[in-house]
Amino acid sequence: AQSVTQPDIHITVSEGASLELRCNYSYGATPYLFWYVQSPGQGLQLLLKYFSGDTLVQGIKGFEAEFKRSQSSFNLRKPSVHWSDAAEYFCAVGTLSNDYKLSFGAGTTVTVRA
Amino acid sequence: DAGVTQSPTHLIKTRGQQVTLRCSPKSGHDTVSWYQQALGQGPQFIFQYYEEEERQRGNFPDRFSGHQFPNYSSELNVNALLLGDSALYLCASSLAGGSGGTDTQYFGPGTRLTVL
Repeated sequence: AQSVTQPDIHITVSEGASLELRCNYSYGATPYLFWYVQSPGQGLQLLLKYFSGDTLVQGIKGFEAEFKRSQSSFNLRKPSVHWSDAAEYFCAVGTLSNDYKLSFGAGTTVTVRA
Repeated sequence: DAGVTQSPTHLIKTRGQQVTLRCSPKSGHDTVSWYQQALGQGPQFIFQYYEEEERQRGNFPDRFSGHQFPNYSSELNVNALLLGDSALYLCASSLAGGSGGTDTQYFGPGTRLTVL
């Protein structure tokens, strides 16, 4: 069964600084990978996804993520954070066949300080 | 273009009661998945409905059941509520692809269920 690990429970970053959120997955084949963001009391918004092809994926709100098969990672990055980026971020993994669910990591809470 | 909608927004029930949550998928989508998100945790997959049938189920007891209607909307029913059922229930919709794998899922705002 696939699993997702987000090693950082909480990250604090200054406004304007860069941000990197880590995600590691465990799965026997090439997974489908997603990053979602959740503001307090809200549902999940899709930031970006990786299915195949170019391993550097661009998403909304200036986010990007890089798939590294050798490291089983799919880290999320943003060059310069804004106060509005404060939220909880979830990495999720799906599969190529016979399994339709998303498996989520426990999430990373991002706090942005002025 | 309306996104995924869920109702109600909040719900308070007591132990032993039954609850029904509703979801309307994004326009053009035909598949609905339900997730439970306990406080401080990532969402956990409950089940997925496609063509009015449960296509896949996660590790949840039979107290959790669902239904999908011909217009693709869906209901989640939980019987004999327990305190531990208190959570945010998220509905996600997608368009079933031909590959048989995970499709991109778009989430609604969720229903916050509190069991007292």
